[in-house]
Amino acid sequence: SQQGEEDPQALSIQEGENATMNCSYKTSINNLQWYRQNSGRGLVHLILIRSNEREKHSGRLRVTLDTSKKSSSLLITASRAADTASYFCATDGETSGSRLTFGEGTQLTVNP
Amino acid sequence: DAGVTQSPTHLIKTRGQHVTLRCSPISGHKSVSWYQQVLGQGPQFIFQYYEKEERGRGNFPDRFSARQFPNYSSELNVNALLLGDSALYLCASSLIRVTYEQYFGPGTRLTVT
Repeated sequence: SQQGEEDPQALSIQEGENATMNCSYKTSINNLQWYRQNSGRGLVHLILIRSNEREKHSGRLRVTLDTSKKSSSLLITASRAADTASYFCATDGETSGSRLTFGEGTQLTVNP
Repeated sequence: DAGVTQSPTHLIKTRGQHVTLRCSPISGHKSVSWYQQVLGQGPQFIFQYYEKEERGRGNFPDRFSARQFPNYSSELNVNALLLGDSALYLCASSLIRVTYEQYFGPGTRLTVT
């Protein structure tokens, strides 16, 4: 079974707008990562946030983590058509080692 | 440097057959993990191998097996294929056994008819 759930399942925005995706998980984690997947191809690592961190930035990406609520959000600012993809959060926990547990993903469509 | 490579890219098999999928990790990476991604869902962990030993196994039947070779490449074998085994099979490599960032290959698309 999946550890996390992404919200929304699908998101459609216009180029230049910001996109926010949320992820919730169930058990204690060591780290939470976000990955992007284009059209059923391999996953591309975007950003990792450790359980003792609350916010992290990488370029146009901003990730927040609230361990008390067991949730994370991914913000993509000034979106581009090339950002169109599925986005997944993945967690690894104290008992699971480096095994990643993925959510169901958010399908983001950025319209030009 | 080459990324994670997987072969074949696509594969069509019949129910009951056997399949072998292959993965070559990034040079220097000693850990390989396998994931199954059914259409419309997130990837699910199948196996992790590190230094040629199984270090973790997901909730998959014994029809699924894997191994890692001395050069750290890996094979995933699935016996007695079922229609439900149709999925994208992803291989990920990482530098050490317990590390945070995993690098994924392009996947093998398996269709069972």
